[in-house]
Amino acid sequence: DADVTQTPRNRITKTGKRIMLECSQTKGHDRMYWYRQDPGLGLRLIYYSFDVKDINKGEISDGYSVSRQAQAKFSLSLESAIPNQTALYFCATSDTAGPSEPGVYNEQFFGPGTRLTVL
Amino acid sequence: KQEVTQIPAALSVPEGENLVLNCSFTDSAIYNLQWFRQDPGKGLTSLLLIQSSQREQTSGRLNASLDKSSGRSTLYIAASQPGDSATYLCAVRDSSYKLIFGSGTRLLVRP
Repeated sequence: DADVTQTPRNRITKTGKRIMLECSQTKGHDRMYWYRQDPGLGLRLIYYSFDVKDINKGEISDGYSVSRQAQAKFSLSLESAIPNQTALYFCATSDTAGPSEPGVYNEQFFGPGTRLTVL
Repeated sequence: KQEVTQIPAALSVPEGENLVLNCSFTDSAIYNLQWFRQDPGKGLTSLLLIQSSQREQTSGRLNASLDKSSGRSTLYIAASQPGDSATYLCAVRDSSYKLIFGSGTRLLVRP
């Protein structure tokens, strides 16, 4: 079974609809992230969470909201979808660096992605 | 603001060739650099992670180097195979815990 799963894998919706993308992980990691990828561009960070009570805006958070329901679950919502939110969305997780390793930050593991099309 | 650039944007090579992918970043104050592979319509697979204190990492036919002072990293792929065809992304972790991605290099290895 995959360590980081995303549902749905594909979604087509209409402008103005509310959409929720879900991410679950079995890696036991504290940190979770949501990115979007547009054609020809790298990934851009939308939101990130370092634990259940921590939510932080990323580089492009406008038009999005998130919920960290549990350590293993992190959901991304589009309250009123618009066509320029058409993109590939990725969830990622990473472990927390131990106190004995200052400056060491662990690698991120990505889910398979959700392709979202807003008409 | 940290910016990550990957050159070339696309590369086509015959099978068996050794090749180098380049990644440059504008701010040398990074914590680590990560190389990923992305297959069409798929997620990202982590290939190598280099901490800021390290100079290189190796995994099988892959070798990644890091020169923080010059803001550069290279991914060396030895004896390329058609199965290596994918998009390769590099990303740096800056002081705000964020991963900043380049736009990737699309690699095609021809049989």
